Amino acid sequence: KAGVTQTPRYLIKTRGQQVTLSCSPISGHRSVSWYQQTPGQGLQFLFEYFSETQRNKGNFPGRFSGRQFSNSRSEMNVSTLELGDSALYLCASSLAGREMGGYTFGSGTRLTVV
Amino acid sequence: GEDVEQSLFLSVREGDSSVINCTYTDSSSTYLYWYKQEPGAGLQLLTYIFSNMDMKQDQRLTVLLNKKDKHLSLRIADTQTGDSAIYFCAERSFSGGYNKLIFGAGTRLAVHP
Repeated sequence: KAGVTQTPRYLIKTRGQQVTLSCSPISGHRSVSWYQQTPGQGLQFLFEYFSETQRNKGNFPGRFSGRQFSNSRSEMNVSTLELGDSALYLCASSLAGREMGGYTFGSGTRLTVV
Repeated sequence: GEDVEQSLFLSVREGDSSVINCTYTDSSSTYLYWYKQEPGAGLQLLTYIFSNMDMKQDQRLTVLLNKKDKHLSLRIADTQTGDSAIYFCAERSFSGGYNKLIFGAGTRLAVHP
């Protein structure tokens, strides 16, 4: 079965702009989580969506937001981009977020803010 | 608080065993994971262990869990050059009623001939 698909793979944006990243989970998976990976802070949890509802949020400013659609696809949005937002953004899917086993990650979107 | 710590670098000779260590702080963690990340790629789930287990073996991989000391290790037998990557330890933290993963900083494994 197809894995987790993230688009685009690479993105270059200018400070102050906004960006939208997309994640399509494994078919049948209803939970989508987002993580930010930077050399300085490592992997940090952004938020989790399940059945179109955000049910957990990490410690990030309000500029970071997301949503989930009825087909479980999720988008995350970052507004008023800062240089420090440059990172690899990873999406993970699971059936319900609580079941045994791990989360399946996509290949990520590498965002560069200049 | 929630924290996961790993050593940052490990170098081994091809054919030897590699042991990557990790400590965590959340005693309520139910699952602990090992993920592998190759350059330019996402995270690949290698294996996981439930907190009521001491050991899990999966082909060349052996996970040992010492719950009393909150210590987790990953042993890779017969390490190959293709095993060169960054390995992340993660705990599933139950926070605010829902799960999230807390990752260590990653251990870079270098395999040399």
